[in-house]
Amino acid sequence: EVQLVESGGGLVQPGGSLRLSCAASGFTFSSYHMNWVRQAPGKGLEWVSYISDRSRTIYYADSVKGRFTVSRDNAKNSLYLQMNSLRAEDTAVYYCTRDGGRGYDMDYWGQGTLVTVSS
Amino acid sequence: QSALTQPASVSGSPGQSITISCTGTSSDVGAYNYVSWYQQHPGKAPKLMIYEVTNRPSGVSFRFSGSKSGNTASLTISGLQAEDEADYYCISYARSSALVFGGGTKVTVL
Repeated sequence: EVQLVESGGGLVQPGGSLRLSCAASGFTFSSYHMNWVRQAPGKGLEWVSYISDRSRTIYYADSVKGRFTVSRDNAKNSLYLQMNSLRAEDTAVYYCTRDGGRGYDMDYWGQGTLVTVSS
Repeated sequence: QSALTQPASVSGSPGQSITISCTGTSSDVGAYNYVSWYQQHPGKAPKLMIYEVTNRPSGVSFRFSGSKSGNTASLTISGLQAEDEADYYCISYARSSALVFGGGTKVTVL
């Protein structure tokens, strides 16, 4: 069974940093591209970042470019999101998603981890 | 990165068909057949319903179908059921910005 389990969320002050992790199981992690998607409270989904299977291709949304860094460790079946210079508008549930390999579809999602940026 | 445009809400009675539009530009929806649709119930993670404009993943009801014309993609739900009440989001690959979501549509079953 495919499982994606995010961790690392919490309360952080504006300007602070946080590192999210996503532990993958039930599939060959190194063969799949991955994404981070977020959802602010009561708002819609926002794509954040994409990383290819071997980390050769990385994309970021303009809203996080220069502040967030996505990475992965295929040996540990893990995906990461390093978030720096956090702002109130980064407050959201962050989902880790698997790219199903069919036109950038996201076929599996984690349960999400909440990041709250507030003083 | 401008979000794709979806209607804020769509409603229908049980058994009816409804269609949700997702309008982009010639740089995203119009340029690629890389549109997917997601259903999200309150407090839950989204679920993939349609990929590559028209394809249904295994396990998704045949009542859900996708299409595209020009810069607008659409999701149609036929034979509307109470369990279809949820938020629906489209997403497309975009030439300049990788991936962009629509703002979401709340479907209400009357």
